[in-house]
Amino acid sequence: KNEVEQSPQNLTAQEGEFITINCSYSVGISALHWLQQHPGGGIVSLFMLSSGKKKHGRLIATINIQEKHSSLHITASHPRDSAVYICAVRGGSEKLVFGKGTKLTVNP
Amino acid sequence: DSGVTQTPKHLITATGQRVTLRCSPRSGDLSVYWYQQSLDQGLQFLIQYYNGEERAKGNILERFSAQQFPDLHSELNLSSLELGDSALYFCASSLGQKNTEAFFGQGTRLTVV
Repeated sequence: KNEVEQSPQNLTAQEGEFITINCSYSVGISALHWLQQHPGGGIVSLFMLSSGKKKHGRLIATINIQEKHSSLHITASHPRDSAVYICAVRGGSEKLVFGKGTKLTVNP
Repeated sequence: DSGVTQTPKHLITATGQRVTLRCSPRSGDLSVYWYQQSLDQGLQFLIQYYNGEERAKGNILERFSAQQFPDLHSELNLSSLELGDSALYFCASSLGQKNTEAFFGQGTRLTVV
C-alpha cells in the first residue's frame, strides 16, 4: 500500500463545475503539499499546509490531521485548470513522499 | 517563473554514458532538492542539500551523485546510464532546511537510448 493515496486517478469535468481531489496518507507528517503539473511537465507548488485550510483564488486546500486526509477544491473550474494534481507529504525527515497524481481535464 | 533554473532542458544520451544536470536555486534559497519522475514510478525524492551539505537522502542509486557548490547551485551526476534512467529530473529550492515551501524548476528530460 502506498503511503500516499490520491483519488480519483482521473477526473473529467465541465467548465464551471466544483472539483474535489482527495489525498489520504498513512504516516505522521509535518506538512502536506499540493502540486500542479501542466502537460509541458513543469511543476508548480500550490499549497503547503500542516493544519486547517488555505485559500488562493479559486483553489482551496484543507487538511484533517486526525483523519490523515486532505482535499483540494477548485471552484468554478476552467479549461486552464487541466493538469495533474499531486499530493505530497513530508514526514520527520525532509523526504517528500508523492501520490501518483490526479489527472484533471476540464472541458469548455 | 519559479526562479529555479535547470539546464539542460532536454538531454539524449547513450547507455553507459555519464551526464551532469545543473540547477540554480532561487536567489536566497539555501536548500536544493532533486527528484526523479519516471512513467512507472512517479515522482521520487532523490537527495537534499542545505548550504552545501547533504541533509536527506531518498531513493538515489549509487550510480548517481550530487553536490551543492559554495554559490549554492547544485549538480546531479548520473553515470553508467541505463535505459531505465530515462525520466524527468526536477530540482526544487527552498529558503530553509525544514518545512518551507519549495519552488520547482522546469525539469530536465533525460532520454537514454
